[in-house]
Amino acid sequence: DQQVKQNSPSLSVQEGRISILNCDYTNSMFDYFLWYKKYPAEGPTFLISISSIKDKNEDGRFTVFLNKSAKHLSLHIVPSQPGDSAVYFCAATAYSGAGSYQLTFGKGTKLSVIP
Amino acid sequence: DAGVTQSPTHLIKTRGQQVTLRCSPKSGHDTVSWYQQALGQGPQFIFQYYEEEERQRGNFPDRFSGHQFPNYSSELNVNALLLGDSALYLCASSLGQGFHEQYFGPGTRLTVT
Repeated sequence: DQQVKQNSPSLSVQEGRISILNCDYTNSMFDYFLWYKKYPAEGPTFLISISSIKDKNEDGRFTVFLNKSAKHLSLHIVPSQPGDSAVYFCAATAYSGAGSYQLTFGKGTKLSVIP
Repeated sequence: DAGVTQSPTHLIKTRGQQVTLRCSPKSGHDTVSWYQQALGQGPQFIFQYYEEEERQRGNFPDRFSGHQFPNYSSELNVNALLLGDSALYLCASSLGQGFHEQYFGPGTRLTVT
């Protein structure tokens, strides 16, 4: 049962254009969402996050939008740069009881920015 | 300022054996989390250590155990290895419990034959 889904395994975008990466989730208890970027042979790098009480968070070229009613979030990168080419993971946290939290990742979307 | 370091980089083990992976957190961090990433999948949360105790645990069997030392470094132990344990094992560190602002290491590639 995949609670965090990234349905596009890959995405190609022209340099300078907008990249939109999508993520859907099924667990309504998720209260915090994160995006990570991963280059080959490196660990994931935290990019941006959003609390479930917000619908938008912006950090430079990166903006995350959250639509709770649709259980959908998206990461916008504007403008896209070749250095943005990486695998992007969506992740979400939920309280799982007894003072414990869970962090669940999607399978990732490979973004290729074409110069 | 050293980031998160993990050792070894690669490891090959045989089914049934035991393995220990090591992680040193980023300077100033006190919490260490471990993840398993199978090929083509996202990382799966194994557990998190804070103040030398396991505080959070994902859906992994008891064959997976860990330890955190007073200097905040951590070990992941896997007993009775199965072929399905072959994966990239990632360590992440942070300040305080939870999953905000985690810094990941490059991982240890474990192959079970």
